[in-house]
Amino acid sequence: EPEVTQTPSHQVTQMGQEVILRCVPISNHLYFYWYRQILGQKVEFLVSFYNNEISEKSEIFDDQFSVERPDGSNFTLKIRSTKLEDSAMYFCASSVLANEQYFGPGTRLTVT
Amino acid sequence: AQSVTQPDIHITVSEGASLELRCNYSYGATPYLFWYVQSPGQGLQLLLKYFSGDTLVQGIKGFEAEFKRSQSSFNLRKPSVHWSDAAEYFCAVGAENTDKLIFGTGTRLQVFP
Repeated sequence: EPEVTQTPSHQVTQMGQEVILRCVPISNHLYFYWYRQILGQKVEFLVSFYNNEISEKSEIFDDQFSVERPDGSNFTLKIRSTKLEDSAMYFCASSVLANEQYFGPGTRLTVT
Repeated sequence: AQSVTQPDIHITVSEGASLELRCNYSYGATPYLFWYVQSPGQGLQLLLKYFSGDTLVQGIKGFEAEFKRSQSSFNLRKPSVHWSDAAEYFCAVGAENTDKLIFGTGTRLQVFP
């Protein structure tokens, strides 16, 4: 069964550093998403991406964040200058139709 | 504002017992409703979904959920729980006019042998 994959599974970085989280969505999916889950809190929507552009973003997704689909298979989330409060589990998701989203295993980001 | 409430933070059941996990939503438009399960160290797996039609929906692993518009609820049920069902369960709501899913805080299910 096809699935969403994410790398790395755990990333440790120092405050102020740039990080790139990578995702390979399911191959025939057209919509791509990033969510995050701060430890002990809800899963929160960050951004959705369709047809090579952002279709929706949350208030969390400020200028420090960017997304890119650099080739036909990868979907990346970049955080330009990480803060302590960016420490969270980041989930990538993809869907054929909007809303029926399939999630990857997540990348745990730890900012020290 | 859109919201999802899962009133039970933690539920403990014996293996073989029936299970019901509660979910209430607040959404102005016609909702799309989902249940996801997260095992330790794993991602979110889609258990089942409701978009329209029959209000009782069947999912994977023997789970079902019933949409009750009058109660704004979408409770998850399973007639007989297995030890492998121990996990965290998330209810989520989406809609036609938005890409995002709004998640509840989750219910942690513990199963005793």
